[in-house]
Amino acid sequence: GENVEQHPSTLSVQEGDSAVIKCTYSDSASNYFPWYKQELGKGPQLIIDIRSNVGEKKDQRIAVTLNKTAKHFSLHITETQPEDSAVYFCAASIHGNQFYFGTGTSLTVIP
Amino acid sequence: GAVVSQHPSRVICKSGTSVKIECRSLDFQATTMFWYRQFPKKSLMLMATSNEGSKATYEQGVEKDKFLINHASLTLSTLTVTSAHPEDSSFYICSATPGQINTEAFFGQGTRLTVV
Repeated sequence: GENVEQHPSTLSVQEGDSAVIKCTYSDSASNYFPWYKQELGKGPQLIIDIRSNVGEKKDQRIAVTLNKTAKHFSLHITETQPEDSAVYFCAASIHGNQFYFGTGTSLTVIP
Repeated sequence: GAVVSQHPSRVICKSGTSVKIECRSLDFQATTMFWYRQFPKKSLMLMATSNEGSKATYEQGVEKDKFLINHASLTLSTLTVTSAHPEDSSFYICSATPGQINTEAFFGQGTRLTVV
């Protein structure tokens, strides 16, 4: 089955700096890669996603890149703000039928 | 995005009793719903996948007689933890997808189950 690895497990950045979280996957059939933000005691919220026919996608301060050959994808958050502090999960899916999650990154933005 | 509502958000029950958790898709029909369990500071562990009108598919190591899943309609799936024990205490999260291929999964807000 699919194996998703995520790094780093914790990340601290100064407010205004950028944050990058990286994930790798093992199954070349995976074609959908969402990123979720989870705040304490809440369910994950989809923040951005990318499909395998696209190399990069951007939504305001958030961007995701995908390298299908290397089987890795990354989340980039620019101009970080304290409210970006949360746990972020990457996931890989084959046609949305089943989602495999990374181990999570706890992001802390220091004011 | 689409809304998935999970109820209750918190529940405390006595050991040996059963607890039902509901997951509803409010503004779309969910062909598939997923149930996850999350331990503190850990990732989401898929427990089972349910498709409307058919039996759920359980992940290896998940007891289907203990975690009963019913997906009776396109907007509702329920997870019943039967004969709960303290080790079943956890954060349970459902998610739902609107379609069968190339679609996003939307998550409920989670249920914190504490068995005393």
